[in-house]
Amino acid sequence: QQQVKQSPQSLIVQKGGISIINCAYENTAFDYFPWYQQFPGKGPALLIAIRPDVSEKKEGRFTISFNKSAKQFSLHIMDSQPGDSATYFCAASKGFQKLVFGTGTRLLVSP
Amino acid sequence: ETGVTQTPRHLVMGMTNKKSLKCEQHLGHNAMYWYKQSAKKPLELMFVYNFKEQTENNSVPSRFSPECPNSSHLFLHLHTLQPEDSALYLCASSQDLGTSGAYEQYFGPGTRLTVT
Repeated sequence: QQQVKQSPQSLIVQKGGISIINCAYENTAFDYFPWYQQFPGKGPALLIAIRPDVSEKKEGRFTISFNKSAKQFSLHIMDSQPGDSATYFCAASKGFQKLVFGTGTRLLVSP
Repeated sequence: ETGVTQTPRHLVMGMTNKKSLKCEQHLGHNAMYWYKQSAKKPLELMFVYNFKEQTENNSVPSRFSPECPNSSHLFLHLHTLQPEDSALYLCASSQDLGTSGAYEQYFGPGTRLTVT
């Protein structure tokens, strides 16, 4: 019940396209859903996060869509750029501390 | 940079060695974490320290021994490790608000550990 399932494992998108990464969770007590971005040689960095009281949150080209009834949330990267090539992790927790992470999606944006 | 530094960045050690990983945060946070990141696996929370007190130990083998002498420094002491312990070890920090929750976690760059 503590798992967060993330898909796809890897993704190739052309420059200017939309990248979509999906996550699903089981624990209905989770109330915080962040996405982290990790570049090679760096630690994960918080990209955007959402609480379950809203269905969508947008920050620049990055949007989280949240479906509470389906227990799913997704990250959309609009107008994907080569600089977005990184590994993306979804996570979930009750509060901020005990984050449960997905397995990660390696995104490659081709020029 | 995130304000969380880790040393060394790379470490190769034999199974009989003893070594330590160091983490330092310059953000004024009061909670610190150790995570293990292995290929194709989710990040695994290992230890949590709040106000220098260990509040979480996720069934981590005793060959990993954490130490938090103050709220800015966190160590992970390693001894008699196994090859399967090879991974990226990440430190993170956050501002804990007690029962009100905590702010977001900031990660360091990690130590790439190889056990031979």
